Amino acid sequence: QQPVQSPQAVILREGEDAVINCSSSKALYSVHWYRQKHGEAPVFLMILLKGGEQKGHDKISASFNEKKQQSSLYLTASQLSYSGTYFCGTEIRAGGTSYGKLTFGQGTILTVHP
Amino acid sequence: DSGVTQTPKHLITATGQRVTLRCSPRSGDLSVYWYQQSLDQGLQFLIQYYNGEERAKGNILERFSAQQFPDLHSELNLSSLELGDSALYFCASSRTGGRKNYGYTFGSGTRLTVV
Repeated sequence: QQPVQSPQAVILREGEDAVINCSSSKALYSVHWYRQKHGEAPVFLMILLKGGEQKGHDKISASFNEKKQQSSLYLTASQLSYSGTYFCGTEIRAGGTSYGKLTFGQGTILTVHP
Repeated sequence: DSGVTQTPKHLITATGQRVTLRCSPRSGDLSVYWYQQSLDQGLQFLIQYYNGEERAKGNILERFSAQQFPDLHSELNLSSLELGDSALYFCASSRTGGRKNYGYTFGSGTRLTVV
C-alpha cells in the first residue's frame, strides 16, 4: 500500500524551514527519503530503521514514529539547492527477512525561491 | 556517476514492438529493483531481484518480464508496447539482504517513448 505524503507542494524562500510528512497504514520496518531534481534520478538522503530514530544530514533531518507509522523530513534554513521532489519510501517486513523492496509515496514538490 | 548504469538512455519505438532495457548495478550490490515513473507520477514498483532470484513483484504487466544474470546485471523486457507504456524506467541497486538494510542507488533511467 502506497504511503501518503503531505503536503503535495511547498513553496519557500531561502532560509525558511519546511516539514514533509509520510504516513503509512501498515506497520513499517524502515523509511527512506529521496530527493529527485527534474529530469534526474532520485538521490538517497537517509534511512530510518528504528522507532523514534532521528537522523541528520547537514540541515536536513528526519524522524520515525514507529507506533504511528509516520515519518517526517525536516529541512531547515532552506537553500536553493533543496528544490526538487521529495519521496518517502516505506518497507514492510513480513517475517524475519526482507530484501528491501520499497513502496514510494506520491512525492512532495519543494520549491525554494531567492 | 552513481555507479548504476542503465542503457539506453532514450528509446523511441512504435506500438506493438518489443524493447529490452539493461541495468548494471553498483559493484557489490546484490539487489536490483525496477521502477516505472510516468509523467508527473511517482515511482511505481515493478520487480526486484536478489542475487539472481526474483524476490518481489509489483503491478507488473504480463507483457513485461525481467531477469537477473549471473554477473548481476538485469534486463527488463517490454513487449506488445502501447502508448501508455511511455515512461521513465529506473533501475536501482542496493546492498540490502537479510537483516541489513541500505539505501538505493538509482541509475539515470531509460526514457521510453512509444509512438
